[in-house]
Amino acid sequence: RKEVEQDPGPFNVPEGATVAFNCTYSNSASQSFFWYRQDCRKEPKLLMSVYSSGNEDGRFTAQLNRASQYISLLIRDSKLSDSATYLCVVRTWRDDKIIFGKGTRLHILP
Amino acid sequence: DAGVTQSPTHLIKTRGQQVTLRCSPKSGHDTVSWYQQALGQGPQFIFQYYEEEERQRGNFPDRFSGHQFPNYSSELNVNALLLGDSALYLCASSLAGQVPPDTQYFGPGTRLTVL
Repeated sequence: RKEVEQDPGPFNVPEGATVAFNCTYSNSASQSFFWYRQDCRKEPKLLMSVYSSGNEDGRFTAQLNRASQYISLLIRDSKLSDSATYLCVVRTWRDDKIIFGKGTRLHILP
Repeated sequence: DAGVTQSPTHLIKTRGQQVTLRCSPKSGHDTVSWYQQALGQGPQFIFQYYEEEERQRGNFPDRFSGHQFPNYSSELNVNALLLGDSALYLCASSLAGQVPPDTQYFGPGTRLTVL
């Protein structure tokens, strides 16, 4: 089983729709979780951290389920500018090991 | 406040050659991590430098080596280039000693093409 797994997509979603991605991780010792956004041929940029209690930032909501070892990202009222690849990142503190998923491609359709 | 910078932006090399990539961390950061991102893949951790020493290393051969300077900037060197080394090389900086560990901020990357 891969350490961090994501559905590569692409997810083709009409503008204004709601879309959700999941990411599963295998190391139960993982302690920090993030979603990064990467535009084509650009560097990854931090979208949001993911906390156990769940967190929201505008149209974006991130959730963590430690029991099932997955994190999710929900995008409401999607915009054309949300088209990008979304990378799931898992981190363990003891050895500061950071693992990226392969990313999920999202295309928002006009 | 300058973010993470990398040079060069693009590089074309041939098999067997050697390459050096450079990274300057975000102001106030002391730790530099290097990643390789092949097309269609997520970034893969190469190694991390702190206090001018390699602190951690991913699953990369010895052909990949690095250095960190007293001003916290860093270099990634790759010897005996292979076609499979073609990728986007990303540098990320952070501040050590934070609990939880500090967020890593990425530079724009160097796109290396090996012919």
